[in-house]
Amino acid sequence: GAVVSQHPSRVICKSGTSVKIECRSLDFQATTMFWYRQFPKQSLMLMATSNEGSKATYEQGVEKDKFLINHASLTLSTLTVTSAHPEDSSFYICSAPGQSGNTIYFGEGSWLTVV
Amino acid sequence: LAKTTQPISMDSYEGQEVNITCSHNNIATNDYITWYQQFPSQGPRFIIQGYKTKVTNEVASLFIPADRKSSTLSLPRVSLSDTAVYYCLVGDSGNTPLVFGKGTRLSVIA
Repeated sequence: GAVVSQHPSRVICKSGTSVKIECRSLDFQATTMFWYRQFPKQSLMLMATSNEGSKATYEQGVEKDKFLINHASLTLSTLTVTSAHPEDSSFYICSAPGQSGNTIYFGEGSWLTVV
Repeated sequence: LAKTTQPISMDSYEGQEVNITCSHNNIATNDYITWYQQFPSQGPRFIIQGYKTKVTNEVASLFIPADRKSSTLSLPRVSLSDTAVYYCLVGDSGNTPLVFGKGTRLSVIA
């Protein structure tokens, strides 16, 4: 199947700083990517849809100025958590539809810890 | 997006067949049914996808009745490494984001 890769897999940052998480489609192009966050023992919660060459679409309740999404190429989307707070500590996961169009593939996830 | 309902948890012994049923009463004509497996601290892994009847691959089978209002994921002869959370999702295309329910936490016991 299609491969989606995230980097970094784990990151620790200080409160008030910003951190960037990358999501790449390794063997296919993705005009659309999706970002989720997941707290321990909970399900994935959709944050936003990343669109190549245009603005991201955010889910209700997700602050677009805090979670900056950039989809500058057909293989890369980035999520930047700005002015991070401890409550932003979570597991962030990206996904992208494969070439067939019907199946969505997920990255390995990125653990963010804000101290 | 169709809402899905699954059992919260299931237990099984090694070597047994496990069947997890998912209800999706409001599934639309164009929706596919996809199952994912998630281990702790990992992204969901695609298991199987189907539209109707039966689909089988090297790891699982997916049974979908004619009315498509439910589906059953069948895992043959589970092992300890199959302990994970299993999610059933429905959607009409890869360009529409998947909305996750709570999933089914499968525990395989030796």
